[in-house]
Amino acid sequence: GDSVTQMEGPVTLSEEAFLTINCTYTATGYPSLFWYVQYPGEGLQLLLKATKADDKGSNKGFEATYRKETTSFHLEKGSVQVSDSAVYFCALTHTGRRALTFGSGTRLQVQP
Amino acid sequence: EAQVTQNPRYLITVTGKKLTVTCSQNMNHEYMSWYRQDPGLGLRQIYYSMNVEVTDKGDVPEGYKVSRKEKRNFPLILESPSPNQTSLYFCASRPGGIVETQYFGPGTRLLVL
Repeated sequence: GDSVTQMEGPVTLSEEAFLTINCTYTATGYPSLFWYVQYPGEGLQLLLKATKADDKGSNKGFEATYRKETTSFHLEKGSVQVSDSAVYFCALTHTGRRALTFGSGTRLQVQP
Repeated sequence: EAQVTQNPRYLITVTGKKLTVTCSQNMNHEYMSWYRQDPGLGLRQIYYSMNVEVTDKGDVPEGYKVSRKEKRNFPLILESPSPNQTSLYFCASRPGGIVETQYFGPGTRLLVL
């Protein structure tokens, strides 16, 4: 079955540092890929998505590129802020499926 | 304001004592789901509903029940809770067709002693 693997956290960075959170997946065919963010005390929110190989999803300064050859969808941001502190989930689904398959989540802590 | 609400937000109970976690959405969405979030496992779908009176099992349905008598409400029922159901629970809703545009509730943290 499908699976998503994320790097272990927590990731602790200083403000304005460069962020990378690794995500790799195992799936048949060509799934759609997503990053969700969960701020403290809140539910998950869709951050960005990519639906086909080589697509780049972007939002709020975050980016991720769908790499079919390496089955990866790494999340990056050039300069993190304290307000980016949250848990980030990588996820995938296939067209017509009823649910997402989530990774285990990576906690990001940004220090001033 | 578009939102998904859950109650209670925190709950401590004992093994075997029936409980219900309520979920309500004000967006007239057809689809609603329940997930549980456990450390190292991400989110796993428990049950989902495609519309009133239409429900189906997700990936981890054992020990849970749901009902969908009204479009806006989708309660999660634990008839006889056990300690392995200690978890963080999320309700989510979405319009039909696009699974990734889910709106999540704030979560219910459950501890079963």
